[in-house]
Amino acid sequence: QTVVTQEPSLTVSPGGTVTLTCASSTGAVTSGYYANWFQQKSGQAPRALIYSTSNRHSWTPARFSGSLLGGKAALTLSGVQPEDEAEYYCLLYYRGAQLVFGGGTKLTVL
Amino acid sequence: EVQLLESGGGLVQPGGSLRLSCAASGFTFSSYAMNWVRQAPGKGLEWVSVINAGDDGTYYADSVKGRFTISRDNSKNTLYLQMNSLRAEDTAVYYCAKTGGAYYYDPMDVWGQGTTVTVSS
Repeated sequence: QTVVTQEPSLTVSPGGTVTLTCASSTGAVTSGYYANWFQQKSGQAPRALIYSTSNRHSWTPARFSGSLLGGKAALTLSGVQPEDEAEYYCLLYYRGAQLVFGGGTKLTVL
Repeated sequence: EVQLLESGGGLVQPGGSLRLSCAASGFTFSSYAMNWVRQAPGKGLEWVSVINAGDDGTYYADSVKGRFTISRDNSKNTLYLQMNSLRAEDTAVYYCAKTGGAYYYDPMDVWGQGTTVTVSS
C-alpha cells in the first residue's frame, strides 16, 4: 500500500517563510507524480493551490510556490499571512490511475 | 461561475446502499473528468474515484473497488456515486471535484461543499 507522508504540523510567524514537504513510500517524488497541493480551512471544502508540481491556479496567491526538494514535493509559503492558517494536503498520481493524498500538514500562524 | 452541488447523503445501515449526486453548472460538464474525494470525521482527504469526460474510463481506490460505481449523465450535467455494501469506515463527507481537463490525470481544480454519509446501525 502506497503511503504519502507530510509533516503533521508546522508553525510559522506572520511574514515568515515555511516549507511543507510531501514524500512517497515508493521512493523519490519526481515531476511524473504531478504533485498537487490543496488548502483546507476549518469547516470548509478543500481549495486547489498548485498542480503539476509548480503551477499555480489562477486564484492562487503568488506567495505560494511548489517545487521538488530533496526527493520530495514541496510547498513554500513566503510572507505568510494570518489567513494562511489551514490544513494543507498534497496529492500524488501513481501508475494505474491511483491517486493518493498525504495525511495533511496543520499550519499554525503564530 | 463554476458550481458543484452534492446531494444524496444521509444515514444508512451497514450493508446498505446510497447514491450520491453532484449537480454541475457554470462550465461544459461533458468536457471534464470528475472525481469523488471523501473525508472521514477528523481525518484527512481520501481519493475515491474518477471518471473521464467521455465516460471512457473509470478508476477506483482499492478501498471501494467492487462496491462503489462512478457514473455521469452529461445530458443532465450530473455526476453520481453509487455506493453498495456500505461499511462503518465509509462514514465521511463526500466531495465532488472537477478536473481541468478530460482525463483522470488532469488536476482537480474546483470542489463542491460536500455531502455527509453516515453508516451506522
